[in-house]
Amino acid sequence: NAGVTQTPKFRILKIGQSMTLQCTQDMNHNYMYWYRQDPGMGLKLIYYSVGAGITDKGEVPNGYNVSRSTTEDFPLRLELAAPSQTSVYFCASRAWTGNQPQHFGDGTRLSIL
Amino acid sequence: TQLLEQSPQFLSIQEGENLTVYCNSSSVFSSLQWYRQEPGEGPVLLVTVVTGGEVKKLKRLTFQFGDARKDSSLHITAAQPGDTGLYLCAGASGNTPLVFGKGTRLSVIA
Repeated sequence: NAGVTQTPKFRILKIGQSMTLQCTQDMNHNYMYWYRQDPGMGLKLIYYSVGAGITDKGEVPNGYNVSRSTTEDFPLRLELAAPSQTSVYFCASRAWTGNQPQHFGDGTRLSIL
Repeated sequence: TQLLEQSPQFLSIQEGENLTVYCNSSSVFSSLQWYRQEPGEGPVLLVTVVTGGEVKKLKRLTFQFGDARKDSSLHITAAQPGDTGLYLCAGASGNTPLVFGKGTRLSVIA
């Protein structure tokens, strides 16, 4: 059972380049999330989705975009990469009930140079 | 805005010592979840506490949910190097996104 799969695991970008971080889950979860984690820090919510076709901003959405065309996939797009976006990005999913745990992917480590 | 304050932020102890991590809020949550994150991996759920006053044990780890469901604690007995990692508490309230604390980075030295 794969759970939450993120690709790529590592990426180096130049300032101004764009890229898409991929996230897919095979648990049929309605809720999906994108977080960033800076060195030595906790998690900051970027965007989330409560189902296909529905997305909403989290705490730090500027510089990012998301889409949710299917239940399984929730890609995160960086349009104009900036050094401040250097971070580790985690995707997570959760079943619809409030007390269910979140299942996290292993992260994408992104460096902007 | 709901906030969860975790303390301490950093903890470095010798193998065999006991420790307690605290997670406090002014808000009421329907449940509190504790996660552990190891280097290079995503957080993994340790436990969920739902009822005020609830105590759950996971081997040497004891989790408690406050009576008013605003705070929680994690106590580790006889810590081992394998307990090293980042411990995160997260509060659940309906179907809104989980509110995460900033984490406690624990280092257990052999």
